[in-house]
Amino acid sequence: AQSVAQPEDQVNVAEGNPLTVKCTYSVSGNPYLFWYVQYPNRGLQFLLKYITGDNLVKGSYGFEAEFNKSQTSFHLKKPSALVSDSALYFCAVRDQPGGYQKVTFGTGTKLQVIP
Amino acid sequence: NAGVTQTPKFRVLKTGQSMTLLCAQDMNHEYMYWYRQDPGMGLRLIHYSVGEGTTAKGEVPDGYNVSRLKKQNFLLGLESAAPSQTSVYFCASSYEGIAKNIQYFGAGTRLSVL
Repeated sequence: AQSVAQPEDQVNVAEGNPLTVKCTYSVSGNPYLFWYVQYPNRGLQFLLKYITGDNLVKGSYGFEAEFNKSQTSFHLKKPSALVSDSALYFCAVRDQPGGYQKVTFGTGTKLQVIP
Repeated sequence: NAGVTQTPKFRVLKTGQSMTLLCAQDMNHEYMYWYRQDPGMGLRLIHYSVGEGTTAKGEVPDGYNVSRLKKQNFLLGLESAAPSQTSVYFCASSYEGIAKNIQYFGAGTRLSVL
């Protein structure tokens, strides 16, 4: 069974500092990995995904994520945090085999960027 | 662009009442999903559909039914609401193929069952 873990319920970072939101995963084969962001009272919005290829994936709003197969991690990063980045972030994973495969979401990490 | 639209946005039910949540998407997506979001539990898949006229159970289907009579609509029904169904419900849709893993979400329906 596939699973994803976000070990931190909340991450606080000062505006202008780099931020990291952690994610680790478990799948039987090769993973598809995703990050989504949720602003208050809104649905989730896609940020970026890793399917194959370059381990460093760039996404929307200056975010990037690094796929590390040996550590089974897919941490979300941004070089300089903005107050407007404050939101709930979800990591998600699915196994690669063909056909419909369920996407499993993590429990979410609340990012608070302090002015 | 409307994207994924959910109605209603808020609802309060008494235990035992029934209701239907409507999800409509205008992106011609094949796949549609219903999730519930509860504190500390992330998103859990209730039911999903891979095409018009087809539905399948997700990880928490008990107490819910769904229908996909038209490609653009995915309905979630609660036949006899229970307090444990108090949650925020999200509908999502996606394309087929390699891009199908990017899901587009509605704004959610906040349901309270008293």
